Amino acid sequence: KQEVTQIPAALSVPEGENLVLNCSFTDSAIYNLQWFRQDPGKGLTSLLLIQSSQREQTSGRLNASLDKSSGRSTLYIAASQPGDSATYLCAALPSNAGNMLTFGGGTRLMVKP
Amino acid sequence: DTGVSQDPRHKITKRGQNVTFRCDPISEHNRLYWYRQTLGQGPEFLTYFQNEAQLEKSRLLSDRFSAERPKGSFSTLEIQRTEQGDSAMYLCASSLAGGYRNQPQHFGDGTRLSIL
Repeated sequence: KQEVTQIPAALSVPEGENLVLNCSFTDSAIYNLQWFRQDPGKGLTSLLLIQSSQREQTSGRLNASLDKSSGRSTLYIAASQPGDSATYLCAALPSNAGNMLTFGGGTRLMVKP
Repeated sequence: DTGVSQDPRHKITKRGQNVTFRCDPISEHNRLYWYRQTLGQGPEFLTYFQNEAQLEKSRLLSDRFSAERPKGSFSTLEIQRTEQGDSAMYLCASSLAGGYRNQPQHFGDGTRLSIL
């Protein structure tokens, strides 16, 4: 059974800092890995999707990497802003069967002005 | 693209009552998913449809839960005889299919269920 873990559970940084959020998964048989953002009381917004054959994806100030062999993905946020404050979730899609995403518990990020 | 729409946004009910939630996916999306999220946790998969066919169900979906997507468009999730442990955010997501599993899932804002 796939297990996804995100460390740290919470992170507080000053504005302007570059930061890395970590995601690890136990089963490397994944089809893709997706990063989401969730604001309080809201649904999830898809940020980046990395296919299993890819090493990284970039969108603006966000860069996500994937290392299937080690079971790790990172989300890099450059020049953080207060508007980046949210919970960030990673989720893995299995390669063998099914369309259910397995989520980590999330990292709550606070960027202080 | 109006996004995934869920109704109601918040439902408060007494233990033992039945509740029904509705999800309207993005119009051209033929896959629809239901997840449950408790406070401080990531979402957990409940079930998914391709068109009107329910293709996967999690063990979390006890016999008190039933989901339908009768015409392959909107979906409903019903919980019968609600229990305290059913209190959670119920999230709906949709995606394209057509052989591409790399289509991202797009989520609605969820229905928050509170059991008194």
